[in-house]
Amino acid sequence: KAGVTQTPRYLIKTRGQQVTLSCSPISGHRSVSWYQQTPGQGLQFLFEYFSETQRNKGNFPGRFSGRQFSNSRSEMNVSTLELGDSALYLCASSFGLAGARSSYNEQFFGPGTRLTVL
Amino acid sequence: QQQVKQSPQSLIVQKGGISIINCAYENTAFDYFPWYQQFPGKGPALLIAIRPDVSEKKEGRFTISFNKSAKQFSLHIMDSQPGDSATYFCAASKLNYGGSQGNLIFGKGTKLSVKP
Repeated sequence: KAGVTQTPRYLIKTRGQQVTLSCSPISGHRSVSWYQQTPGQGLQFLFEYFSETQRNKGNFPGRFSGRQFSNSRSEMNVSTLELGDSALYLCASSFGLAGARSSYNEQFFGPGTRLTVL
Repeated sequence: QQQVKQSPQSLIVQKGGISIINCAYENTAFDYFPWYQQFPGKGPALLIAIRPDVSEKKEGRFTISFNKSAKQFSLHIMDSQPGDSATYFCAASKLNYGGSQGNLIFGKGTKLSVKP
C-alpha cells in the first residue's frame, strides 16, 4: 500500500511569489490535513479537508489556502510569500470518520515539501 | 496559547536505558493522544496512541502512561537503542467532536539521543 506522497520535495521561491504544493493521500483516505513545521514554532495545523470540504482551519492568515479534489488529492497554496513562510510543509491523511475508532483516524504523514523563501 | 506542553526539550540516554518524555494538556475535550517519531528529512511516523479510557498502553518497547486527572501523559521507551535516536512529538485531538478529527495539536518535540 503506497504511503502519502508530496510534490515537489524541495522548492525555492522569492518574496512576493506564490506557490502550490500537492499531496496524494493513502488510497481510501478521505481526510487530508496540512501542517507547517518550523524550528521555532514546531508543528502547527493549517487546515483539514474531508470530501472536498474544508472541515477545520488553524490560525494562519488568508494567504494560506487549500482545496481537495474528488479523488481526495489536495493542494495548498501560499500567496505573496514572506521570508517567514520558509518551512517544511507536511500533509497527513486518514479515513477521517467522526466518532469512529481511533484507528480509523490515525494520521499518516508524507515526507513533506521543504519551502525556502529568499 | 500552547495547548500541549512537552518536556524535556532534549534527552540523552545510554543504550539499554529507559527514555521518558512527558506531556501535559489543557483542554479536557481532548480524547486522542498519539506519539510520533520523526527522523531527519522524514515526516512524522505514528508510534503509539491512547484514548483516555485506559491508563496505559504498551506496544513492544514503547509504553504510554496516561493520567486523566492530572491531564498528563508520557512515553516510555524501554531498552533504548541508538536507532531510537530521533525527535518525538506528543499530540492531542478531539476525535468525538464533529469536525475536529484532522486537527492534531502537537507538543514542541523532544530530541532523543541514545549513546552506544
